[in-house]
Amino acid sequence: GNSVTQMEGPVTLSEEAFLTINCTYTATGYPSLFWYVQYPGEGLQLLLKATKADDKGSNKGFEATYRKETTSFHLEKGSVQVSDSAVYFCALTSYSSASKIIFGSGTRLSIRP
Amino acid sequence: GAVVSQHPSRVICKSGTSVKIECRSLDFQATTMFWYRQFPKQSLMLMATSNEGSKATYEQGVEKDKFLINHASLTLSTLTVTSAHPEDSSFYICSAREVQSTDTQYFGPGTRLTVL
Repeated sequence: GNSVTQMEGPVTLSEEAFLTINCTYTATGYPSLFWYVQYPGEGLQLLLKATKADDKGSNKGFEATYRKETTSFHLEKGSVQVSDSAVYFCALTSYSSASKIIFGSGTRLSIRP
Repeated sequence: GAVVSQHPSRVICKSGTSVKIECRSLDFQATTMFWYRQFPKQSLMLMATSNEGSKATYEQGVEKDKFLINHASLTLSTLTVTSAHPEDSSFYICSAREVQSTDTQYFGPGTRLTVL
């Protein structure tokens, strides 16, 4: 079945450091891929998405590229800020999963000033 | 655009009472809404899929008589936790999918339920 695997946290970085959170997926067909962010005590916000191979999603300085050959959708940011501290979820939807969202386990990111 | 609200944001109730949580899509129509439960420091667990005008589809292991879902309009779905017990305490999050969309869901801010 469809699944999402993302790197375990917590991840702790200093401000202005480079961020990579790895995400790989298993899916039949052609899934859409997402990154969601959850700030403390809040629901999820869509951060970015990509719907086909080689698409790059980007938002707020974050980027992720849909790599079909490596079945990956790694999240990157060149210079993180304290305000980026949150939990990040990689996710996919596909026709074969009845368009339900399949979430990864989440990666907690903490940024030190 | 694509804002989803939930009410209440936080509720504390006594064991044995029922609690209703509302999920509204504020600026779009949603034929499908989803209800999730999230335990501390864990990912979201899909409880049920709610389609406007029809019965909800529950995931395996979720009691439909315990968690009543109603999707009466294209902008409103409700989750009622019946005869709540302390083990029902959790963070409940809804999401909504636009009529014309097949993949993107927009999430509400969540409702923290505490059952004493």
